[in-house]
Amino acid sequence: ETGVTQTPRHLVMGMTNKKSLKCEQHLGHNAMYWYKQSAKKPLELMFVYNFKEQTENNSVPSRFSPECPNSSHLFLHLHTLQPEDSALYLCASSQSGTPDSATNEKLFFGSGTQLSVL
Amino acid sequence: AQSVAQPEDQVNVAEGNPLTVKCTYSVSGNPYLFWYVQYPNRGLQFLLKYITGDNLVKGSYGFEAEFNKSQTSFHLKKPSALVSDSALYFCAVRDDYKLSFGAGTTVTVRA
Repeated sequence: ETGVTQTPRHLVMGMTNKKSLKCEQHLGHNAMYWYKQSAKKPLELMFVYNFKEQTENNSVPSRFSPECPNSSHLFLHLHTLQPEDSALYLCASSQSGTPDSATNEKLFFGSGTQLSVL
Repeated sequence: AQSVAQPEDQVNVAEGNPLTVKCTYSVSGNPYLFWYVQYPNRGLQFLLKYITGDNLVKGSYGFEAEFNKSQTSFHLKKPSALVSDSALYFCAVRDDYKLSFGAGTTVTVRA
């Protein structure tokens, strides 16, 4: 158990649906991240939040909308997704919340949400 | 251009044999390098990192990695592999204040 919990574990949705992914960390960390994992491709960083403020949006389409109400919770709101958005979506956290923290500290990952868009 | 490359999609070894997972990087300045492992149906777990100091870094589960500046490599090694080491391994490098991951290498250790 890494201390980072993601729900749901699996999600199937149609292209016209709206759904949300949830991430919660019990580690007292100040930075949280969303990554997209597709088979045989590098992990893609989507969003970074430091102390609840978004500090990184890695050219992610607007059909993905993150929300970070506090340092312990992170959401990814999904609407009008495409089949190519099907992937494993991973949440991670790290300690210090500085812009440097992802690059010199270890990240703690959740188990991910396996998303299928039909 | 990709900052980190894992040239092998798959590595297969017999239990008890040495295991090597290759990684090369391409960044300016001093590299910060990481290895993560992903077991089936789990998120990634940190294995080890190189920031500075000794070129040989020791990590979790008996793994180590050797930083080679001249070859811009950071290969992951384990002297004697276990069946339980079967997993997906990711190399990562700090790149312009972001962490860039490779595509991963699937390791299968057969009994």
